[in-house]
Amino acid sequence: QKEVEQNSGPLSVPEGAIASLNCTYSDRVSQSFFWYRQYSGKSPELIMSIYSNGDKEDGRFTAQLNKASQYVSLLIRDSQPSDSATYLCAVNMDASKIIFGSGTRLSIRP
Amino acid sequence: DTEVTQTPKHLVMGMTNKKSLKCEQHMGHRAMYWYKQKAKKPPELMFVYSYEKLSINESVPSRFSPECPNSSLLNLHLHALQPEDSALYLCASSQDKDRGAYEQYFGPGTRLTVT
Repeated sequence: QKEVEQNSGPLSVPEGAIASLNCTYSDRVSQSFFWYRQYSGKSPELIMSIYSNGDKEDGRFTAQLNKASQYVSLLIRDSQPSDSATYLCAVNMDASKIIFGSGTRLSIRP
Repeated sequence: DTEVTQTPKHLVMGMTNKKSLKCEQHMGHRAMYWYKQKAKKPPELMFVYSYEKLSINESVPSRFSPECPNSSLLNLHLHALQPEDSALYLCASSQDKDRGAYEQYFGPGTRLTVT
C-alpha cells in the first residue's frame, strides 16, 4: 500500500514564528511532491511543488525534499493568522495520479 | 490564469434524482480529474481524463458517470445516489499528466447533499 503520512495536528504556532510541517512517503520512485493549503469549507490550493532534492523558496514558504529519507517538509516563515488552515502533502505515485496525506491542521495564535 | 470553475456550488438531491456536476477550465490543460472529499479527510481520486479519454476509474460505483465533451469541459452525471455519497466533489486539471506535469489546480467544488 503506497502511503503518504502526515501528523494530523493541530499544530499551534505563535504569530511571527516559523511553522514546520512534515510528510513522509512510502514509494521510493516518487518524483513529484506538492503542498496544498485548504481552508475550512474551501477547495485545496496549490502553494508549492518540488521535484529535486534540496530547498525551494517562494516568498514566506520553503519546501524541502530529501528523497533518500523519503521526507518532504514545508516551512512557513513569519506565520500569520491567515496561514491557519489544513496543509495537505501530495506525492505522485505513478504516471497517473497523486496521493494525498491526511493533512496537518495548523493554527497560528496571535 | 489558474482558474477551474464548477457548477453548481451546492446541490441537494433525492436518491431517485438524476443530476449533473459541471467543470470547466480554460488553461489549455489536457488532464482533468474528479475527486470526492468527505469532512476532515483528504481528497479521494475518482476519475482521470487525459486528452479527453478516460484513463483511470478508481472502482467508482456506476451511479457516478463521468463525461468529457471536449478538452475544456468535464461532467459528472449522478443517478440513484445514496446518503453516504454526500460530500464535496472537486474537479481539478493539470497541464499534461503523461509528460510529468502533475501540478493539479482545483476548482471550488460542489457541495452535494443526498437526502
